[in-house]
Parts: sequence; structure tokens; C-alpha cells
Amino acid sequence: GQQVMQIPQYQHVQEGEDFTTYCNSSTTLSNIQWYKQRPGGHPVFLIQLVKSGEVKKQKRLTFQFGEAKKNSSLHITATQTTDVGTYFCAGASGSKLTFGTGTRLQVTL
Amino acid sequence: NAGVTQTPKFQVLKTGQSMTLQCAQDMNHEYMSWYRQDPGMGLRLIHYSVGAGITDQGEVPNGYNVSRSTTEDFPLRLLSAAPSQTSVYFCASSTRNRNQPQHFGDGTRLSIL
Repeated sequence: GQQVMQIPQYQHVQEGEDFTTYCNSSTTLSNIQWYKQRPGGHPVFLIQLVKSGEVKKQKRLTFQFGEAKKNSSLHITATQTTDVGTYFCAGASGSKLTFGTGTRLQVTL
Repeated sequence: NAGVTQTPKFQVLKTGQSMTLQCAQDMNHEYMSWYRQDPGMGLRLIHYSVGAGITDQGEVPNGYNVSRSTTEDFPLRLLSAAPSQTSVYFCASSTRNRNQPQHFGDGTRLSIL
């Protein structure tokens, strides 16, 4: 079945440093979605990428979808303490949506 | 709009007890689903529904039942609780189908003793 791997599992950065999480699918995706879950909270949808090679930005967050539509990345520039949480990718293939295991980001001053 | 509402927020059960986790959405979404979240395992799909009267199994359906009598409500029933079902349960909804962006409820934190 479809598998979505996400790395790293955990990242600890100093405030102001950059952060990147990577998502890789075993199958070609129709779209990929990114979610953020604050500690004790629920996943919140951030963005959806559909096109091969697509790049989208939301303020300090940059999302990329690979040319082969099998991988994606989320890059945060100059992290802030408000960025703390777990970031999940979710890959859509056919009628299935498979979540990655998430990357937990810790930001310290 | 309230979005997706889950009740209760916390629950402790004894092994063998049964209970129903409630989920309601007011966005007129056709697709609803239940996930469980365990440390290091991401979100795993338990059951889903593509519309009133239609349900289907996800990745980890054993020990759980669902029904969808209305568009708004999608309750999850634990038939005979087991410690392995200790988890955080999220209900989610979306327009049209499963591979569209999901709106999650706040979750139910369930402990089985």
C-alpha cells in the first residue's frame, strides 16, 4: 500500500534558525497537503500542492512539490517560538489520503 | 460556524466497557472520517463515510463501529474497550472526498485502564 515517510522525526532549533522537513511517497501523488499541530491541539490544514514542481509561500513558510510528484518539503525561514509544533504531510493518491508520521519542531530562545 | 465538534474531550474507561465518541460538523461536508493518533505513528484512519448512509473501513477498523444517519453526525463506537485503544481520536470532514483538505475536530483523549 501507499507509504508516506517524513524526516526528520524531531528537530530542535534556536530561534532565528531555518528548519526543513521532507516528505517522500512510495507512489505518485495527485496532491500533497501540509498540516500543523500545536502541542495538545489538532491538525490544522496549511496548504495543498497539486502541480509538479509547484512552489508556494506563506510568509516565512515555503512549500515545494517535487517534479515527479512523489516528494515534498516545507521550509521555515528564521523560526520563531510560535512555529513550535508537529508538521504533517499527507499524500493523496486515488481516493486515499495517507499521513506522514510528522516532524516535531522545538524552538528555543 | 463551529466547524467540527467532538465530545467528550477526555474520557477514562475500564477494559470491556463500551462508549460512543460523538462528532458533528456544520459545514455540510459530505466526507467524514475518524483517525487515531498514537506517538510516532502519525494519523491512522479508522473508518470513513462519503455521505449519509455510507460507511467504509480504513486502515485500523477492528474494535470500532460507525454509522452515518445524517450528513452532520458521525459517531464512533468502541464495542469493548481494550488498553490498546488508548489514544487520541480525531474526527475530520472535507468537501467531496478523502483526498481534499481535512477539517479536524479538537480531539478526544481516551484512556483505557
